[in-house]
Amino acid sequence: DADVTQTPRNRITKTGKRIMLECSQTKGHDRMYWYRQDPGLGLRLIYYSFDVKDINKGEISDGYSVSRQAQAKFSLSLESAIPNQTALYFCATSGDGGVSTQYFGPGTRLTVL
Amino acid sequence: TQLLEQSPQFLSIQEGENLTVYCNSSSVFSSLQWYRQEPGEGPVLLVTVVTGGEVKKLKRLTFQFGDARKDSSLHITAAQPGDTGLYLCAGARAGGTSYGKLTFGQGTILTVHP
Repeated sequence: DADVTQTPRNRITKTGKRIMLECSQTKGHDRMYWYRQDPGLGLRLIYYSFDVKDINKGEISDGYSVSRQAQAKFSLSLESAIPNQTALYFCATSGDGGVSTQYFGPGTRLTVL
Repeated sequence: TQLLEQSPQFLSIQEGENLTVYCNSSSVFSSLQWYRQEPGEGPVLLVTVVTGGEVKKLKRLTFQFGDARKDSSLHITAAQPGDTGLYLCAGARAGGTSYGKLTFGQGTILTVHP
């Protein structure tokens, strides 16, 4: 079984709808991250959490919110989706320490019409 | 402004050729990682380099961290179709608000033709 899972894998929605993307991990890591990937822009950090009570904004947090329900679960919400939020979204986890491998989920492809 | 500039963005070569991908920055990083991503999957770590001037080899892949820890390169010898994918560099900066976070380059899409 995969260590980091994301649901749904694909989602098509309309402008103005609220969307939640979910991430679960079985690696026992405290740190979790949400990224979006756009062609030619690499991965950009949306939000990150270093433990259940710690939530931090990344470089592109506007229009997004997150919830860390448990050590193993970190969800990303788009309160009112807009077309320029169409992208591939990745959840990742890492262990403690400054130089830790990040383990990524398989991604969610989101299309906002 | 991209903190980590990767080049080239696209690379299309024949099986057996050599190639180099570059990752450059004006900022100093405490460590640099290279990831490889295949379609429909998330990135997977290939290597982490932490010391200026460090060279690491992974079979036909050679990774180098610049002496000043501002740049890195990935060299593939005798590329094979199985090397096809998106290669991403990612830098970690020590301390402060950057602690524990990675900054990614734009990625290099490599296609190796049989």
